[in-house]
Amino acid sequence: SYVLTQSPSVSVAPGQTARITCGGYNIGSKSVHWYQQRPGQAPVLVVHDNSDRPSGIPERFSGSNSGNTATLTITRVEAGDEADYYCQLWDGGSDHWVFGGGTKLTVL
Amino acid sequence: EVRLLESGGTLVQPGGSLRLSCAASGFAFSTYAMSWVRQAPGKGLEWVSATSGSGAKTFYADSVKGRFTISRDNSKNTLYVQMNSLRVEDTAVYYCAKDLAYGFDSWGQGTLVTVSS
Repeated sequence: SYVLTQSPSVSVAPGQTARITCGGYNIGSKSVHWYQQRPGQAPVLVVHDNSDRPSGIPERFSGSNSGNTATLTITRVEAGDEADYYCQLWDGGSDHWVFGGGTKLTVL
Repeated sequence: EVRLLESGGTLVQPGGSLRLSCAASGFAFSTYAMSWVRQAPGKGLEWVSATSGSGAKTFYADSVKGRFTISRDNSKNTLYVQMNSLRVEDTAVYYCAKDLAYGFDSWGQGTLVTVSS
């Protein structure tokens, strides 16, 4: 089945830009969704369909998807952005939802 | 306001069975697909199963196919997962989520299932 690959961790200083990547074969042809999960909490959808934000999600969160890599970009990073981030897509070939392994964002 | 409340998690022995429930409110439950997602301690998210709004279509991760059964009672706005032949590796927090074509826009707070002797 389809595999999504994420780097285990990303570190960034407050006010800087964090980029979290999600790799998969020809992922650019699929719709990718991103979740934020703070410690002890349920995940929250922060970007859907590659680049759309649900209501209530700050404009600092954006997404892109091309080729074999989808990217979640967080600008002007704040301490509250420290969390695990997961990418997800629907694999029509197997009729499965697939999650990436997750990336821990640390704000220095 | 959308609310999803899971229940039924507990300690169960390997080989045992358990049924989890997810009570939904604040939206037209029968018109939305629903999913179960689990998270083992210290690990990432793993999709478990999904069902269409009517319940006619069901989908399962390979890791649970043949052991877990997803169902829903739209008259009670409740989602279920029947878990049989439980294994130690099924130990996790189980979340229910409102399943749209563009991801899961609402999640419950989860219920902990521990499989141990």
